[in-house]
This record gives sequence, C-alpha cells and structure tokens, in this order.
Amino acid sequence: DSGVTQTPKHLITATGQRVTLRCSPRSGDLSVYWYQQSLDQGLQFLIQYYNGEERAKGNILERFSAQQFPDLHSELNLSSLELGDSALYFCASSVAPDERQPQHFGDGTRLSIL
Amino acid sequence: GDSVTQMEGPVTLSEEAFLTINCTYTATGYPSLFWYVQYPGEGLQLLLKATKADDKGSNKGFEATYRKETTSFHLEKGSVQVSDSAVYFCALSLTARGGKLIFGQGTELSVKP
Repeated sequence: DSGVTQTPKHLITATGQRVTLRCSPRSGDLSVYWYQQSLDQGLQFLIQYYNGEERAKGNILERFSAQQFPDLHSELNLSSLELGDSALYFCASSVAPDERQPQHFGDGTRLSIL
Repeated sequence: GDSVTQMEGPVTLSEEAFLTINCTYTATGYPSLFWYVQYPGEGLQLLLKATKADDKGSNKGFEATYRKETTSFHLEKGSVQVSDSAVYFCALSLTARGGKLIFGQGTELSVKP
C-alpha cells in the first residue's frame, strides 16, 4: 500500500462529457503529480502541484485542468471528452518537488470513453 | 529534451535465469534515476533509485548502477522468479524540471517456471 488513494477506480462515460478524478496524497507529502498512461503514448507527465500551487506543466490538454486543495488532496478535471482520452490516470505524491525524493503512486483511475 | 530509452520487450526468461534490462538517458544536468515496477492491474511501485553518478541502487535482488560516462542505468537480477513477471519502467527526474518523472516506454518481463 503506497498510501496514495485515487477514486474512482473505474470510470465509463461518453464523448463530450466531463469527469473529475480525485487523489489523496500520502500523509506528509506536499507535492502531487498527475500522469497519463496509454498504449500509444506510454506514461506521460501532465501536471504537478506543490502545497496548493501549480509547479510544472507537461503535455496537458487545454480541456484538462487540475487543482490542489488546502487539505492537499488534488482533483483532475477532464472535459469535452474524446475517445483518445481513454487511458489510465495515475496520481503520485512526494514530500517535496526534489528529484531525489521518490514518488509514490496510487493504483490509478481507468477512464473508458464510449 | 530530456528522455529515457529502454530495451524493447517483451522479455521472456526461464526461472533462475539472469536478467538485464537496458536503460539509457539524455538529460541537461544531473538527474536522479529510478526503476519502477508495475504488476498487472496495479500502480507503479518504486523498485530502486540512484541520485548521483556511481551510486548503486538495490532492492529485492535487483541492482542498477548510475553510469554517467555511458548515461546508463541498466537493471540486473541474478536469478529471476515467476513472481518477477511485470512491466519495468526506467525513469529520470530533475529538480530543475520540478521533480517530474520522465519514463521510458517500459519493458514487459515474463518469467516461465
């Protein structure tokens, strides 16, 4: 058990819809990262927050947004969903945004767009 | 840009065989290097890490040495078990990039009894 909790585990929805993925980081971790895992793109970094502030952005689409709340949990919002958004979305957390700090991953949310 | 390249899979081995999964990286600066493992239906678990040149990370019989001169971080295990069957990801991280992980494409390992 990594201590990182992601909900829901599975989401099935239709094109054009909007969904929210939730992540609770490990106790004591201030930094949260979101990654997307798909067959064609592999594991890609989306966005990072540290203590409530956006810290870094990767290949995140404009239709996607995220935030980190005062209690440090984070949400990833995906809107105007397309078939290509079907993927496994992981949240990871670390103590600080320091390369030497390992990231601990949740079990992921599997998003299926029909 | 920064990137990680892993040997392609799938790799199929018999139990007790020697394992090597090659990993090379390109980075501006001096990254930390990681190996993560993903078992079927699960998230990624940290297997081992090295934060500076010549460091050796080790865990559960797996080892990898940070080689700056060859920009490599190859994963090795002397005797694999069926339970080692999983997908292995090499990754790098740079504080200057916010500490995000940049992953290789993953190598699927299948160990047969």
